[in-house]
Amino acid sequence: EAAVTQSPRNKVTVTGGNVTLSCRQTNSHNYMYWYRQDTGHGLRLIHYSYGAGNLQIGDVPDGYKATRTTQEDFFLLLELASPSQTSLYFCASSDNWGGGDTQYFGPGTRLLVL
Amino acid sequence: GDSVTQTEGLVTLTEGLPVMLNCTYQSTYSPFLFWYVQHLNEAPKLLLKSFTDNKRPEHQGFHATLHKSSSSFHLQKSSAQLSDSALYYCALSDRNTGYQNFYFGKGTSLTVIP
Repeated sequence: EAAVTQSPRNKVTVTGGNVTLSCRQTNSHNYMYWYRQDTGHGLRLIHYSYGAGNLQIGDVPDGYKATRTTQEDFFLLLELASPSQTSLYFCASSDNWGGGDTQYFGPGTRLLVL
Repeated sequence: GDSVTQTEGLVTLTEGLPVMLNCTYQSTYSPFLFWYVQHLNEAPKLLLKSFTDNKRPEHQGFHATLHKSSSSFHLQKSSAQLSDSALYYCALSDRNTGYQNFYFGKGTSLTVIP
């Protein structure tokens, strides 16, 4: 089973604050993803990457930056956090893009923006 | 564009009754379809995925059949168990690599009562 870890698991910040969410996968997967999960909206893709240094925009990118520093590490940055970004954030990885490859999810980071 | 529509909101069933969660999709290409399950305070994880050769995937008593004619991949189980209470996502992935092509539905929350 693929291993995806996230840190921190919980985070509280204030409006305008700077937040970095971290994700690491240890299965040499090519693709990594950041999602947010909100009641009534399900899982929504923020950004994704298919390798170190690559970044692709997802469906809800506004207010978020991301960076893939290595094959293993993918970061989500909120430089001016707003209350609307209060959510549960999941990182996921897969070996390939499309073609039926399973996405493996991390345990999630719960972010509260006051 | 590609999309996934599933039974939205809350579904409540009595233990022992059959389960059917609907999923229909739109895709320009030949997609893979998935069902992911998320139990309370856990990450989403793969439950089922469609095969290319029309076999019916089964796992933990759940099964789903990909019907290309009706663009559907409904999730079924003959007898609901209390442990089936969870959030279920239908998802689509098509073969057009190099283009963002992984889509989740909004999720169906299943509650099984005694």
